Amino acid sequence: IAGITQAPTSQILAAGRRMTLRCTQDMRHNAMYWYRQDLGLGLRLIHYSNTAGTTGKGEVPDGYSVSRANTDDFPLTLASAVPSQTSVYFCASSRQGMDEQFFGPGTRLTVL
Amino acid sequence: GQNIDQPTEMTATEGAIVQINCTYQTSGFNGLFWYQQHAGEAPTFLSYNVLDGLEEKGRFSSFLSRSKGYSYLLLKELQMKDSASYLCAVMDSNYQLIWGAGTKLIIKP
Repeated sequence: IAGITQAPTSQILAAGRRMTLRCTQDMRHNAMYWYRQDLGLGLRLIHYSNTAGTTGKGEVPDGYSVSRANTDDFPLTLASAVPSQTSVYFCASSRQGMDEQFFGPGTRLTVL
Repeated sequence: GQNIDQPTEMTATEGAIVQINCTYQTSGFNGLFWYQQHAGEAPTFLSYNVLDGLEEKGRFSSFLSRSKGYSYLLLKELQMKDSASYLCAVMDSNYQLIWGAGTKLIIKP
């Protein structure tokens, strides 16, 4: 793989179900991020990780959790999905926290 | 609170020049980024400004005035492939990016 990948590409989920969105990068970037993008709003940061083993909360963390067991992977979990979590989710990475961010292709999630 | 403002939509003609403005109010400033996002795709990095002045990169230039909380992205010799949304983002004192809602640029032949 080259760059940053996300899976699945899209998903329709029943409310109340648990879902994990996967994100993997092969650039050996230290920092990784999860954003959601909703129509008419800017990208909003959900969670971030400045380095493997550490995570932090962004602007809209409620209902989401993350882990960073190694440098490459940064999964995002919705413990019990709700319709307001319907959105496009982007994973991103950067060499360090202050550098330009590279984005994955996104996951389009619909919660019914 | 933190706020990034940019126009929702702009229209320009192929071959022309367009300027997309961005004003910001953030807690701290560690640089301003411009990204391009084609419909249905991921954002891609265009430019970064941390000092006042103009940064030129081919057909694209970006300007920053920190005292005015203002930036613009200048696109010259517009091509149809430049039809996209342009996102302005400011890195705040916590090194987190605060994003504007984006400007949808429509190019007409």
